Amino acid sequence: QKEVEQNSGPLSVPEGAIASLNCTYSDRGSQSFFWYRQYSGKSPELIMFIYSNGDKEDGRFTAQLNKASQYVSLLIRDSQPSDSATYLCAVLGENNFNKFYFGSGTKLNVKP
Amino acid sequence: DGGITQSPKYLFRKEGQNVTLSCEQNLNHDAMYWYRQDPGQGLRLIYYSQIVNDFQKGDIAEGYSVSREKKESFPLTVTSAQKNPTAFYLCASSGSWNEQFFGPGTRLTVL
Repeated sequence: QKEVEQNSGPLSVPEGAIASLNCTYSDRGSQSFFWYRQYSGKSPELIMFIYSNGDKEDGRFTAQLNKASQYVSLLIRDSQPSDSATYLCAVLGENNFNKFYFGSGTKLNVKP
Repeated sequence: DGGITQSPKYLFRKEGQNVTLSCEQNLNHDAMYWYRQDPGQGLRLIYYSQIVNDFQKGDIAEGYSVSREKKESFPLTVTSAQKNPTAFYLCASSGSWNEQFFGPGTRLTVL
């Protein structure tokens, strides 16, 4: 069983719509969750992280965490063509100091 | 500017050669990491180091070696024992909230 699972996509949304990206994880003790954006051929860049159950907002981005369901999501409001990229979910393992587990990523296409 | 640098950007290796990828950071981070990314795949951990002079194997350490003699530097050597080294290699360091920041990457190709 993979530690972190994401739908590979591609997820296509029209410009201005809300894009919803989902991630599930297997380690019930995980405490920290991160979302990265990776453009083709580039390295991942951190969008935001979340530790507590509920929502965390940063500009057009909202991370949502539900530890009981072992589920974390990223919402992108007012999607722009420049948001087209692969989004990686990362989970910090409970028993592995600073060791991240990455999902394989969801490719997002925002159509003008 | 604070950040992580990796060199070279592109690297070509002949069969049987060892090559070393450079990673330097000026963020004053203790922990550093090396990942490998294959096309359409997520990141897989090769080695990580929590402090100078200490490092741990990740999930795919076979055929790789590292050193951590200075806080700022964490070079990765891809040895001839690594049978399929063609990939995108990413170095990262982690900050006070455990978030990881990545360098620009090195793309290694075996000729």
